Amino acid sequence: EPEVTQTPSHQVTQMGQEVILRCVPISNHLYFYWYRQILGQKVEFLVSFYNNEISEKSEIFDDQFSVERPDGSNFTLKIRSTKLEDSAMYFCASTLETGLAGSGELFFGEGSRLTVL
Amino acid sequence: SQKIEQNSEALNIQEGKTATLTCNYTNYSPAYLQWYRQDPGRGPVFLLLIRENEKEKRKERLKVTFDTTLKQSLFHITASQPADSATYLCALASYSSASKIIFGSGTRLSIRP
Repeated sequence: EPEVTQTPSHQVTQMGQEVILRCVPISNHLYFYWYRQILGQKVEFLVSFYNNEISEKSEIFDDQFSVERPDGSNFTLKIRSTKLEDSAMYFCASTLETGLAGSGELFFGEGSRLTVL
Repeated sequence: SQKIEQNSEALNIQEGKTATLTCNYTNYSPAYLQWYRQDPGRGPVFLLLIRENEKEKRKERLKVTFDTTLKQSLFHITASQPADSATYLCALASYSSASKIIFGSGTRLSIRP
């Protein structure tokens, strides 16, 4: 069964360093997402991406964050200068269509745990 | 401001009973609402979608209702089993931001044998 894959599974970095989290969404999907979940807290929306551009983003997704789909398969999240409060699990998700047209089922990866020291 | 609230942080019920979880929202005009299951350390897994013009949806032992007047969705698991123990999340999207799917904080459900 197709799945969303994320790398790395765990990254430890020093405050102020740049981090790139990578995702390979399901191949025929059209919408791509990043969410984060701080330990013990809710799943928070960061950004959605469609047709090679950001379609929605949250207040969390400030200038320190960027996303890219550099080729037909990868979808990356870059954090330019990490802060302690960026420590969280970052989930990538993808879907073929929104819930307006179909189920809008988000397929999530297993997550990348980021620890900022 | 927009809010999605799941009424209980945790719910403990006996195996075989029906579990009922609640999702309330404010300052939203949702186009659709989804329910997901999340196990510890894993990503959420989609269960069901219900649209704003639908009252009820069923899938096997799961039932979801959607009341846009009360601004509430109820999620039921009938004949609950210990394997149903997990955190259950509701998620909303509006017509104007259909790709912006926002999650509630979840209800941790424990089914005791």
